[in-house]
Amino acid sequence: ETGVTQSPTHLIKTRGQQVTLRCSSQSGHNTVSWYQQALGQGPQFIFQYYREEENGRGNFPPRFSGLQFPNYSSELNVNALELDDSALYLCASSSRDAAKNIQYFGAGTRLSVL
Amino acid sequence: QKEVEQNSGPLSVPEGAIASLNCTYSDRGSQSFFWYRQYSGKSPELIMFIYSNGDKEDGRFTAQLNKASQYVSLLIRDSQPSDSATYLCAVGPRQGAQKLVFGQGTRLTINP
Repeated sequence: ETGVTQSPTHLIKTRGQQVTLRCSSQSGHNTVSWYQQALGQGPQFIFQYYREEENGRGNFPPRFSGLQFPNYSSELNVNALELDDSALYLCASSSRDAAKNIQYFGAGTRLSVL
Repeated sequence: QKEVEQNSGPLSVPEGAIASLNCTYSDRGSQSFFWYRQYSGKSPELIMFIYSNGDKEDGRFTAQLNKASQYVSLLIRDSQPSDSATYLCAVGPRQGAQKLVFGQGTRLTINP
């Protein structure tokens, strides 16, 4: 158990809809990173939030957006869902102020777009 | 060229033997290196991290880093059936800052 919680665990949406995924970071951690993992692939970095601001973004379109709240929890929003958005979405929590700043993953949200 | 490359496997190892997993990376500025284990349908679990050249041991696991060759490896001694999983190599640009770049993972099967 990493102390990183994600909700919901599973989600089914149809193409064109919007979705919001949530993540609570581990106690003491102030940084949240989001990753997308397609079947059979390694996780791909979407973006990272630190002190409520986006702090680095991967190669994902603007319809992927996020928020971080004062309690360091975070949301990932995806608009205009496409079939290729079907994947496991992982949230990773870390402490930017710690020397090693290791990222710990939550259990993930499995999104299916039909 | 992929930023982080791993042999996708599957790698099959008999129980009790040493499993050797390899990873190469392209960014010479990379400073932090991680091995995550992922069971089918589950999320990645951190098992080792290494920052300096050489070996780092933790129980049955040894991580090896060679920055000159841009090569990271993970050795699992006395392999157990419970070690059967996909092993993901991840590389960070600085000590833990910002994104991790993952390889596609190596699927390891330990045969009883």
